[in-house]
Amino acid sequence: GQQLNQSPQSMFIQEGEDVSMNCTSSSIFNTWLWYKQDPGEGPVLLIALYKAGELTSNGRLTAQFGITRKDSFLNISASIPSDVGIYFCAGHLLFTGTASKLTFGTGTRLQVTL
Amino acid sequence: NAGVTQTPKFQVLKTGQSMTLQCAQDMNHEYMSWYRQDPGMGLRLIHYSVGAGITDQGEVPNGYNVSRSTTEDFPLRLLSAAPSQTSVYFCASSYIGRNYGYTFGSGTRLTVV
Repeated sequence: GQQLNQSPQSMFIQEGEDVSMNCTSSSIFNTWLWYKQDPGEGPVLLIALYKAGELTSNGRLTAQFGITRKDSFLNISASIPSDVGIYFCAGHLLFTGTASKLTFGTGTRLQVTL
Repeated sequence: NAGVTQTPKFQVLKTGQSMTLQCAQDMNHEYMSWYRQDPGMGLRLIHYSVGAGITDQGEVPNGYNVSRSTTEDFPLRLLSAAPSQTSVYFCASSYIGRNYGYTFGSGTRLTVV
């Protein structure tokens, strides 16, 4: 199946630092999504990107849909302790007909130290 | 609150036992799916459904069955549990035909001993 390579796998940063993570695919997608998962919970949607080149912000989060449609990145500015969690990228490809599936990256585990 | 409800939250099974993980959504979403999450593996699709009476296999379907008799419910059945099925299971739903992100349940942590 399709593979999404997400990097880095984990990162330790200090509060106030900026964070950058990215996701690359062997296939093109028509939507890129970024999720955050808190411990013991399901992933929650942070940002959705719908066309190549799109740059979208949500508070301190900024994400971009790569021009080639095979990559995306997520930046977090001025990190705070509650940013701790696992961040997943996901590619959404609308198949012919009505079915649609998400392919997920392996996640980036973020830990923030004071 | 509207959303995806999964039960139970935790479960321990013995090898060979069967059980059903429940998933219900109240958002009238057509699309529902089951994922398993294992360390370092991300989320892998088990089965999905695009509407009542329609199901299909995902990436890792072996050992699991599903059915979709109503729009709201999408149970996942383990017929004969194996230790390799120890994982955290998530149900997710969305509308079809639009690029909306999925809404996830809070997960079921299953241990097979």
